[in-house]
Amino acid sequence: GEDVEQSLFLSVREGDSSVINCTYTDSSSTYLYWYKQEPGAGLQLLTYIFSNMDMKQDQRLTVLLNKKDKHLSLRIADTQTGDSAIYFCAESTMSASKIIFGSGTRLSIRP
Amino acid sequence: DVKVTQSSRYLVKRTGEKVFLECVQDMDHENMFWYRQDPGLGLRLIYFSYDVKMKEKGDIPEGYSVSREKKERFSLILESASTNQTSMYLCASSLKALAGVLFFGPGTRLTVL
Repeated sequence: GEDVEQSLFLSVREGDSSVINCTYTDSSSTYLYWYKQEPGAGLQLLTYIFSNMDMKQDQRLTVLLNKKDKHLSLRIADTQTGDSAIYFCAESTMSASKIIFGSGTRLSIRP
Repeated sequence: DVKVTQSSRYLVKRTGEKVFLECVQDMDHENMFWYRQDPGLGLRLIYFSYDVKMKEKGDIPEGYSVSREKKERFSLILESASTNQTSMYLCASSLKALAGVLFFGPGTRLTVL
């Protein structure tokens, strides 16, 4: 069945770039998403990318998609303490009424 | 500002009790979802609904039921709560046309003693 995998933890120094990686198995995935969950809160959509795109940039966020390798990454430039959160990768197909989430990557920022 | 609200942020119940978790959205979304979140397991889909009175089982429906009598409201019911249902419960909604763009509520942390 469909699966989305991410590493569980990432620690980055404040001011550096963070790169969170994700792999997925469903080759018919149409949309790929990044969600952010701050402590004690629900998830919030950060950005999403269509499968016919390679890259999407939005201010400090850059999403890269390698469709051949089924690999998605989220780069956060100039990482700040407010970026501390759990980041979830997710995918869905055009016809699907639900999406598949990864287990989340906890990003911690060190001074 | 769009909103998904959940009836409680924290809830403590005893084993065997019937538990109701309520979720309301004000965006006229067709789809509504209930997830549970456990450390290291990510989000697991319990049930979802794509229309009033419609429901579909997710990946872990055992021990749960749902009700959607009105478009804006989706209720999760634990018929007889057990300690392994201690978890964070997240409600979400989305448009039918863009099902993966989910709007989440703040979550209900349920503890079953």
